Amino acid sequence: DGGITQSPKYLFRKEGQNVTLSCEQNLNHDAMYWYRQDPGQGLRLIYYSQIVNDFQKGDIAEGYSVSREKKESFPLTVTSAQKNPTAFYLCASSSTGSGRTGELFFGEGSRLTVL
Amino acid sequence: AQSVAQPEDQVNVAEGNPLTVKCTYSVSGNPYLFWYVQYPNRGLQFLLKYITGDNLVKGSYGFEAEFNKSQTSFHLKKPSALVSDSALYFCAVRDLRGGATNKLIFGTGTLLAVQP
Repeated sequence: DGGITQSPKYLFRKEGQNVTLSCEQNLNHDAMYWYRQDPGQGLRLIYYSQIVNDFQKGDIAEGYSVSREKKESFPLTVTSAQKNPTAFYLCASSSTGSGRTGELFFGEGSRLTVL
Repeated sequence: AQSVAQPEDQVNVAEGNPLTVKCTYSVSGNPYLFWYVQYPNRGLQFLLKYITGDNLVKGSYGFEAEFNKSQTSFHLKKPSALVSDSALYFCAVRDLRGGATNKLIFGTGTLLAVQP
């Protein structure tokens, strides 16, 4: 079935370590997104990509990095520069073709805990 | 500035009663509005959207939403609540900053608790 796969589901990290979250989609969508979810704050956009080899910062990009080498994949690295990385991370994708109506399709999320 | 507000952190309703989850928005131009639902430790699931046309939009699982331009609102409704509707609900609007993308701005979420 078509969808978005995020891994790992749960991840623990020591302070000072970088960690990479995986996001793969087989929906043939051009656009992909990373959101961060914290209790009481909703979802905030970290990075997004409209096309392969191009990506843009969202509202809270500091301390994060991404790459988009393949259409299907949009990994997110949480670096040691991110001051408060403990959160639930959600990857999403959407179509950008003509007639697009804008809904995002989400993965099941990755919960990162920094010890 | 574009924004979405969900004024209620939690809504409590008895099973079988109608439910309403409120959302107001602020955008320049015509809004693209969305509702999503999230169950614990899961991703978001799309419920419905308003792009243009009829102000009453029907979506998944018996939910509907009413677009009111004069009140800049997009409230989510269901005629008869189920215990299984208990979840976190997010309202969102398309973010028009930076040109034509599908980025969404989300509200802070409303926890719906349906009592048996």
